[in-house]
Amino acid sequence: AQSVTQLGSHVSVSEGALVLLRCNYSSSVPPYLFWYVQYPNQGLQLLLKYTSAATLVKGINGFEAEFKKSETSFHLTKPSAHMSDAAEYFCAVTVSNSGYALNFGKGTSLLVTP
Amino acid sequence: DADVTQTPRNRITKTGKRIMLECSQTKGHDRMYWYRQDPGLGLQLIYYSFDVKDINKGEISDGYSVSRQAQAKFSLSLESAIPNQTALYFCATSDGPGVEQFFGPGTRLTVL
Repeated sequence: AQSVTQLGSHVSVSEGALVLLRCNYSSSVPPYLFWYVQYPNQGLQLLLKYTSAATLVKGINGFEAEFKKSETSFHLTKPSAHMSDAAEYFCAVTVSNSGYALNFGKGTSLLVTP
Repeated sequence: DADVTQTPRNRITKTGKRIMLECSQTKGHDRMYWYRQDPGLGLQLIYYSFDVKDINKGEISDGYSVSRQAQAKFSLSLESAIPNQTALYFCATSDGPGVEQFFGPGTRLTVL
């Protein structure tokens, strides 16, 4: 079954620094991969998705992710962190035998310090 | 108006009570999902539905049941709530594989 693993449950960066949130996937078929963000007391919002059209995917709010098949990775990056980026980030993969539901990683909480 | 709505947004109930969480969508999507979020565990799939007559269990369906009353409505029930069902519950919709799932704002359920 398809699954993802997020490395690091908490990441802290300084404002203006590079943001790197790590996600590795496991899938026996070409995966559909997603990054979602959850701000406090809110639902989940899609940041970006990979559906095999391009390996480098650009999303909202300056985020991007690169699909690397050789490394089974789909890490999320942003060149310069803003205070408003503080949130919980989830990597997810669709599961073909569960109606293409999403199998989520455990999440990474991003803290941005002044 | 929001595309996916959930009611109630917050609910406190007691052990043994029956409770229903409701989800409505205006996206026109056929696929609807219920997830549960626990701190540090991400979201886990409870049930999913392709249409009114097609309902399927997810990985953590025990203790839960669902009803798809119409294409736009998908309800989650806890027949006899227990404290370890205290969690944040999300409804989501999509119109196929490989496309975005749209999430509701969530229902925070506390079982005392």
